[in-house]
Amino acid sequence: EVQLLESGGGLVQPGGSLRLSCAASGFSFNIYAMNWVRQAPGKGLEWVSGISGSRGSTYYADFVKGRFTISRDNSENTLYLQMNSLRAEDTAVYYCVRPIVVVPAAPFDQWGQGSLVTVSS
Amino acid sequence: EIVMTQSPATLSVSPGERATLSCRASQSVISNLAWYQHKPGQAPRLLIYGASTRATGIPARFSGSGSGTEFTLTISSLQSEDFAVYYCQQYDNWPPVTFGGGTKVEIK
Repeated sequence: EVQLLESGGGLVQPGGSLRLSCAASGFSFNIYAMNWVRQAPGKGLEWVSGISGSRGSTYYADFVKGRFTISRDNSENTLYLQMNSLRAEDTAVYYCVRPIVVVPAAPFDQWGQGSLVTVSS
Repeated sequence: EIVMTQSPATLSVSPGERATLSCRASQSVISNLAWYQHKPGQAPRLLIYGASTRATGIPARFSGSGSGTEFTLTISSLQSEDFAVYYCQQYDNWPPVTFGGGTKVEIK
């Protein structure tokens, strides 16, 4: 059974940093691209960042470019999202998601339960 | 960036009735279109991909159609567990993949 378990969310002040982790199990993590998708309170779903499987090519939404860094540790089956210079508008539930096939641009068939990030003073 | 527009924003339907949700892309996404169901406090669930292929375990009452820029999700006979928010997503032109704003299906 595929499992994606996020951790690392919490309350942080504007301008602060936070690192999300996503522990993956039940599939060959190293060959799958992985992504982060978020949902702000009362808003819709929004893709944040993606990373390819073995080569680790990274992709970002414009609104996080230069502030967020996605990475992965294939030896630990773990996906990360380092979030710096956080803003109030980054407040959201962040989901770790896996596509249905190994390529990055594919539908997301596996989702974690989400990790809440609140940016507030 | 491809903009996805969903309509209506809210759909009021009685149990057992048919629901038809629309999604429009700002440019062609061919058939690279997915639909998700999202309930409060839960992770989104993939319903349809490739515009019309049901994901594993999805009941046959859910069907998708369309290509290019116009897409439809139909729920043939709404069950109580189907009341939720539904999102379309294009994955043809990325990054970024983009989602529509959602359609909330509520009990009439």
